[in-house]
Amino acid sequence: DTGVSQDPRHKITKRGQNVTFRCDPISEHNRLYWYRQTLGQGPEFLTYFQNEAQLEKSRLLSDRFSAERPKGSFSTLEIQRTEQGDSAMYLCASSPITGANVLTFGAGSRLTVL
Amino acid sequence: AQSVTQLGSHVSVSEGALVLLRCNYSSSVPPYLFWYVQYPNQGLQLLLKYTSAATLVKGINGFEAEFKKSETSFHLTKPSAHMSDAAEYFCAVSEFGNEKLTFGTGTRLTIIP
Repeated sequence: DTGVSQDPRHKITKRGQNVTFRCDPISEHNRLYWYRQTLGQGPEFLTYFQNEAQLEKSRLLSDRFSAERPKGSFSTLEIQRTEQGDSAMYLCASSPITGANVLTFGAGSRLTVL
Repeated sequence: AQSVTQLGSHVSVSEGALVLLRCNYSSSVPPYLFWYVQYPNQGLQLLLKYTSAATLVKGINGFEAEFKKSETSFHLTKPSAHMSDAAEYFCAVSEFGNEKLTFGTGTRLTIIP
């Protein structure tokens, strides 16, 4: 068990470009979450999956954002036509279905939009 | 709707002094409560959790927290601060049947040598 892995750790892009982040959860965890964290703030919920089903999406997840978890294992978060306001740390977490929602977080993917 | 308020965005304590980080929650049902710690350029690490068992919860690195329903609080304490405790601390709440965590805005802890 190597924990939750996220790639890339850092991404610098120009406004208008598309970016994609990947998350590999702990293998036996059925649930996978995406959060966004901006400077000086706590993580904000974006969306979560149970296996391959996307069960909830936050209002923060605009139409430019799309998340997938095609086989119930790794997940991708794509941001289309990036804006400077998208600059943030994107955190992935996973958890088992049983238990009290104890999330294990990855180290995050930091996005800088120029 | 569940929410968390962390009082004090920055707290400074001397090495060896008591650490007290405050967290108040709002929840329509009995909550699950968590404290996470975040070191620079790292993800969040679970310190401890309250899941309706004992109200005094012990976590890693000598931290503990007490659930007080009457005060809707879940403050984090450590008797003696160490330089390695310098980090950002987040309180979070979730509810049974609601699978996401809601985080507070965090408290940055600075340890003075």
